[in-house]
Order: sequence, then C-alpha cells, then structure tokens
Amino acid sequence: AQKVTQAQTEISVVEKEDVTLDCVYETRDTTYYLFWYKQPPSGELVFLIRRNSFDEQNEISGRYSWNFQKSTSSFNFTITASQVVDSAVYFCALSEATSVDDMRFGAGTRLTVKP
Amino acid sequence: DAGVIQSPRHEVTEMGQEVTLRCKPISGHDYLFWYRQTMMRGLELLIYFNNNVPIDDSGMPEDRFSAKMPNASFSTLKIQPSEPRDSAVYFCASSLGRLQPQHFGDGTRLSIL
Repeated sequence: AQKVTQAQTEISVVEKEDVTLDCVYETRDTTYYLFWYKQPPSGELVFLIRRNSFDEQNEISGRYSWNFQKSTSSFNFTITASQVVDSAVYFCALSEATSVDDMRFGAGTRLTVKP
Repeated sequence: DAGVIQSPRHEVTEMGQEVTLRCKPISGHDYLFWYRQTMMRGLELLIYFNNNVPIDDSGMPEDRFSAKMPNASFSTLKIQPSEPRDSAVYFCASSLGRLQPQHFGDGTRLSIL
C-alpha cells in the first residue's frame, strides 16, 4: 500500500521568509499521482496541485512552487515570500493508478506565518 | 459553479441520537468520498462511491455508520446510535475520476455530548 510522510509537523516563519514543506512517498506503482491540499483556519480543504509520475518538471504558480524528484520519492512544496494568509495546514497525498486503494493523505504540516 | 455542498455545517447532539449528514457533489462528478478528520487520526477515508455504487467501505468504523447515495446528486452519512467518540469534522468530496483532484465541501463539525 502507498504511504505518504510529512515529517514536519509544524513550521513557523516570519512573513516574507521562504519556506519548504517536505513530502516523501512510497509506492510500488509506476503510475501514480501526487497532490497538495491546503486547509486554512476556516477548515475547508482546497486543492492546490496534481502531478503525475511521468512529469518531473517543476511547477510554479505565483509564489508557490513544487519540486518533484522521483529519485528521492519526494514532492516538496515551497512558498516564496510567505504571507500571513499562507498560514494553514498543508496535506500531501498520493493515488496509485493500478491500485484500488484510495487516495492516501499525509499527516499534514501546520504552517504559521507571523507578521 | 457550485462546489460540494454539505449540511449541516454544525451539529451538536446527545449520545444515542441518530445523526444524518448530507452531501451534494459537484454536478458531473462520478466519484463521491466521505472523510472524517480528527486531531488524533488525521484525515480518514470512510467510504467512496462511483456512479452511486459504494466501492470501498473498509474505512467505516463500525456498523453504527452507514452511507447511501440514492442518486448522482445526493449522499448521506448516518450514525446510529451516535457516541462521543464520533465527534469530528466530516468532509464530503467529489471528483471526476478516482485519480482526479477531489473537491471538498466545507465539512460538518459534529459534536456528540
């Protein structure tokens, strides 16, 4: 079964600092999808990105960027010039294409950005 | 477009009562998921449906929990009888496919006294 590890339980930074959230995954499948979700203090879960296992190109969206490295089984998320509104719990998740297993979420990383 | 709609947003009830949580998925989405989130256990998948058919209910804690999807636009999660340990936030999510991004509702915060 697939597994997702987010080793950082909590991170605290000061506004405008860059911060990287780590995600390490385990899978035996060659075709799989990785996701990041954001859960702000208001509680809803917001989809951020999906990446398939055949696309190792880094993705940038504004201040957000994602670094996918199959060699280290990692899919890290970097926020550049963090803002208070970035404070949230961030979840990494994995789905395997050939498995009937459901999407597996990591435990989440709570990011606090202080003014 | 409307997102996933859950009701109620908050529910407080006494132990032993029946609780029904409701979900309306995004129109056109074939998959519907029910999750439970607690501090201790994080985000857990309870059950998911494909085209209104339950596919995997291995996450349902026990027989007190049941879920139905009578049509493509409505699902319920029922707890009977409820217990204090069922207190959690329950999320419903829907997606176009099993490997597609899941879109979550705002959740139902359930408190069993």
